[in-house]
Amino acid sequence: QIQLVQSGPELKKPGESVKISCKASGYTFTDYAMHWVKQAPGKGLKWMGWINTYTGKPTYADDFKGRFVFSLEASASTANLQISNLKNEDTATYFCARTRNFDYWGQGVMVTVSS
Amino acid sequence: DVVMTQTPVSLPVSLGGQASISCRSSQSLVHSNGNTYLHWYLQKPGQSPQLLIYRVSNRFSGVPDRFSGSGSGTDFTLKISRVEPEDLGDYYCLQSTHFPDTFGAGTKLELK
Repeated sequence: QIQLVQSGPELKKPGESVKISCKASGYTFTDYAMHWVKQAPGKGLKWMGWINTYTGKPTYADDFKGRFVFSLEASASTANLQISNLKNEDTATYFCARTRNFDYWGQGVMVTVSS
Repeated sequence: DVVMTQTPVSLPVSLGGQASISCRSSQSLVHSNGNTYLHWYLQKPGQSPQLLIYRVSNRFSGVPDRFSGSGSGTDFTLKISRVEPEDLGDYYCLQSTHFPDTFGAGTKLELK
């Protein structure tokens, strides 16, 4: 069955970096794009962008340009999200979701940024 | 950016009753390829969102036929008939026709 399994929760200080992974199984990884979605505590969903899993080309929403990097380890069917120079407002749960319909989602990774 | 106006914010329902959620977009969601990329999701407490309806009216695999989607252009509706306890949670619409993808603000379906 199709699964997206994300890495575990993270506690970081402002200014630090974090890398979140999303491991796919049950389908051909390079056949479907991977999207990233942010959900701040108690808030709604916000689309961050997506990565073409065949070419590796990332596309970022405007609010996520600069400190956010999408990458792949295609041989491991894994998509990654790295956030650098963390700020308090980056505290959120980050989800990966497959393809344009967002048909399968990871379980989410809670990232807490606190001094 | 396309603004997705989702109403109501909160929707109290009785078990076995019917619920209707509206999503209106600030511009047409018809893509140049003719498809309309408007989808609906349910997020249960403490869980990740799950796809219910894709491209306006297509039920995703395993989704009960109590859920139905309709609409066109800028006006879309999700209907839930015979509400069951597992239907409670936050519902979101999403448009992925125009860059950037945008979600509605959500509707909390709760017991009356």
